[in-house]
Amino acid sequence: DTGVSQDPRHKITKRGQNVTFRCDPISEHNRLYWYRQTLGQGPEFLTYFQNEAQLEKSRLLSDRFSAERPKGSFSTLEIQRTEQGDSAMYLCASSEWTSGSGELFFGEGSRLTVL
Amino acid sequence: KQEVTQIPAALSVPEGENLVLNCSFTDSAIYNLQWFRQDPGKGLTSLLLIQSSQREQTSGRLNASLDKSSGRSTLYIAASQPGDSATYLCAVYNQGGKLIFGQGTELSVKP
Repeated sequence: DTGVSQDPRHKITKRGQNVTFRCDPISEHNRLYWYRQTLGQGPEFLTYFQNEAQLEKSRLLSDRFSAERPKGSFSTLEIQRTEQGDSAMYLCASSEWTSGSGELFFGEGSRLTVL
Repeated sequence: KQEVTQIPAALSVPEGENLVLNCSFTDSAIYNLQWFRQDPGKGLTSLLLIQSSQREQTSGRLNASLDKSSGRSTLYIAASQPGDSATYLCAVYNQGGKLIFGQGTELSVKP
């Protein structure tokens, strides 16, 4: 296993379209996190899963955003009716919380540009 | 609510200089603290992870310290090189394992 992978790496879309990002975590990790990073800012927490359960959602995650981790493996983050303010880097991370150190390992991110 | 602050926001130094990046956090009940590097348009590269029971960690020219009681961490970079130019992010883990980031320090090392 080579680490956390995210797809696509870059997405350009028009305002109002729906987009979906996928994250494949490190295989033995039971936690998966989504963060959003805008230009010049540090990453901001969006949501996280432990196995298939979504345990916390940030206020940043409006009703246009939905995240799933259906079988406790990969996760998807969907943004409906995109707005220009959604333009950002979406980062995924995974960790082993139960028996490991809990250290988060990040993917390379998916950059969204909304025109 | 945990808040992480990094000072300065930007720093420009000549090559070869030793430098210190500062990070402060408001809630001392942290699990661990981690420093990352981020190149423009790229993802995060982990530099050093300090567990809450530790006072410092070292890797090559990098040394990170942690003082939980005062809510501070520093990242020391020795003999800086142009290749060190990047944004450096400090982040703390809360007791539930969530990572909370500062806004970063943008470092430029001039040849």
